[in-house]
Amino acid sequence: EAGVTQFPSHSVIEKGQTVTLRCDPISGHDNLYWYRRVMGKEIKFLLHFVKESKQDESGMPNNRFLAERTGGTYSTLKVQPAELEDSGVYFCASSQAGQGGGDYGYTFGSGTRLTVV
Amino acid sequence: AQSVTQLGSHVSVSEGALVLLRCNYSSSVPPYLFWYVQYPNQGLQLLLKYTTGATLVKGINGFEAEFKKSETSFHLTKPSAHMSDAAEYFCAVRTNTGGFKTIFGAGTRLFVKA
Repeated sequence: EAGVTQFPSHSVIEKGQTVTLRCDPISGHDNLYWYRRVMGKEIKFLLHFVKESKQDESGMPNNRFLAERTGGTYSTLKVQPAELEDSGVYFCASSQAGQGGGDYGYTFGSGTRLTVV
Repeated sequence: AQSVTQLGSHVSVSEGALVLLRCNYSSSVPPYLFWYVQYPNQGLQLLLKYTTGATLVKGINGFEAEFKKSETSFHLTKPSAHMSDAAEYFCAVRTNTGGFKTIFGAGTRLFVKA
């Protein structure tokens, strides 16, 4: 089965610009998660979709971040306008149905490394 | 609230030596615990998990972890390190409220010396 796909793998943008990250989960996985890792720190939760609905978006830093999952398939995470502190690696993960899918563990994508200069 | 503490951001072992990566968790309810590994330029890969039942859990690549409730620990071990084990390892706990998201530790980078 195909894994979780993220693109772009790298993005370098200037402060104030907009960037959109995309995640294609494993087909049939209802749960989709976005996480972020700022250099050297822990991987922090951003939000969780169950199908097309936002189950938990408590980790979204501020209103410059907008996540969507139209149709319950792929998801996008838009940062507008980007700030320097948004730099980091953004991971997407998906899992099967269940209580948050945590029983099964996640399948992660390779991440998008975002650098804001 | 659940949390995870990984002791040691860097661990270095010789090839063939025992690997021990420490993880302590905080949870008010029986936890679901995970270890993930990230090889260079790759995503995180599930190494093993504890949900219920046997407290000694075996994972891929010869790794295992033991859930010790009295010590609130879930340390990861491998009897004999291989060069290919060099990677970053993350301990994680699943929350039991809200969206049941997973909380990760800060990671431990394992170096294996020839």
